[in-house]
Amino acid sequence: EPEVTQTPSHQVTQMGQEVILRCVPISNHLYFYWYRQILGQKVEFLVSFYNNEISEKSEIFDDQFSVERPDGSNFTLKIRSTKLEDSAMYFCASRTGGAGEQYFGPGTRLTVT
Amino acid sequence: AQSVTQPDIHITVSEGASLELRCNYSYGATPYLFWYVQSPGQGLQLLLKYFSGDTLVQGIKGFEAEFKRSQSSFNLRKPSVHWSDAAEYFCAAWGNSGGYQKVTFGIGTKLQVIP
Repeated sequence: EPEVTQTPSHQVTQMGQEVILRCVPISNHLYFYWYRQILGQKVEFLVSFYNNEISEKSEIFDDQFSVERPDGSNFTLKIRSTKLEDSAMYFCASRTGGAGEQYFGPGTRLTVT
Repeated sequence: AQSVTQPDIHITVSEGASLELRCNYSYGATPYLFWYVQSPGQGLQLLLKYFSGDTLVQGIKGFEAEFKRSQSSFNLRKPSVHWSDAAEYFCAAWGNSGGYQKVTFGIGTKLQVIP
């Protein structure tokens, strides 16, 4: 069964550094998403992406964050200058058009020190 | 505003006992509804989903959930809990008008199973 994959599984970075989290959505999917989960808290929506542009973003998704689909298969989340509070599990998700459900990847745990 | 409420943050049950985890939603129209399970440090695994039709849906690992429109609820049940079911359970909803709408998650219920 096709699945969403994410790399790396765990990333440790120093405050102020840039990080790029990578996701490979399911190949025929059209809508892409990033969510994050701070330890002990619920999963929160960050951004959705469709037709090569951001379609919706939350208040969390400020100018520090950007997303890109550079090559038709990868979907990346960049954090320009990481802060301690960016430490979280980041989940990528994708879905087909219409009423298809979102499929979640296994997550990348980001630790900012 | 769209919201998903899980009133129980933490539940403890004995192995072999029955389980019911509560979930209520607040949406403009009936959304698509999901239950996910997350083991510590792991990703989200879909247990089951409700889109339409039969209001009692069966999922993996022996779980089922019942959609009740009148109560705006989608409670998760299991007749006999196993120690391996200890995990965190998230109820989630997605507006069914398609498009790029986000999934809204509840805060989660942490299940502890005791011998």
